[in-house]
Amino acid sequence: AQSVTQPDIHITVSEGASLELRCNYSYGATPYLFWYVQSPGQGLQLLLKYFSGDTLVQGIKGFEAEFKRSQSSFNLRKPSVHWSDAAEYFCAVGATNAGNMLTFGGGTRLMVKP
Amino acid sequence: EAGVTQSPTHLIKTRGQQATLRCSPISGHTSVYWYQQALGLGLQFLLWYDEGEERNRGNFPPRFSGRQFPNYSSELNVNALELEDSALYLCASSSLPGRVGGYTFGSGTRLTVV
Repeated sequence: AQSVTQPDIHITVSEGASLELRCNYSYGATPYLFWYVQSPGQGLQLLLKYFSGDTLVQGIKGFEAEFKRSQSSFNLRKPSVHWSDAAEYFCAVGATNAGNMLTFGGGTRLMVKP
Repeated sequence: EAGVTQSPTHLIKTRGQQATLRCSPISGHTSVYWYQQALGLGLQFLLWYDEGEERNRGNFPPRFSGRQFPNYSSELNVNALELEDSALYLCASSSLPGRVGGYTFGSGTRLTVV
């Protein structure tokens, strides 16, 4: 069965600083990987996804993520954080042999200092 | 294009009652997924429907059930409500039932059991 670990429950960064949110997955084959963002009281919005090909994936809102098979990681990055990026971020892994179900990590809450 | 719509936005029920939550997928999407997001428990997969059939089910008791209608909208029913059923219930839809794709989530129904 697949699993996802987001080691950092909370992260605080200053506005304008760079950001990296960590995600480690466990899955036997090539995974399908996703990052979602959730603002308070809202649903989840897809930031980016990796299926195959180029391991550096560009997403919306200036985010990118890099798939590293050797490290079983799919870390999310942004070069300069804006106050509006404060939210909760979820990494997810999907597999067709799991009923197309997405398995989510526990989430990382990002706070942005002015 | 309308997104995934969920109703009601908020629902307050008494322990032992039944709750019915509704979801309308994006037009053209045939797959509907239900997730529970309870405080401290993250996003837990509940159910997957495609073409009117239940395709996969998460680790939830049978009092959690649902169905998908011919127009691909879906209902989630929770019988004999318990206090720990209080959570945000998220519905998502996908146009790629044969493979894992990025879901589009609705804004959720906040169920409170008192």
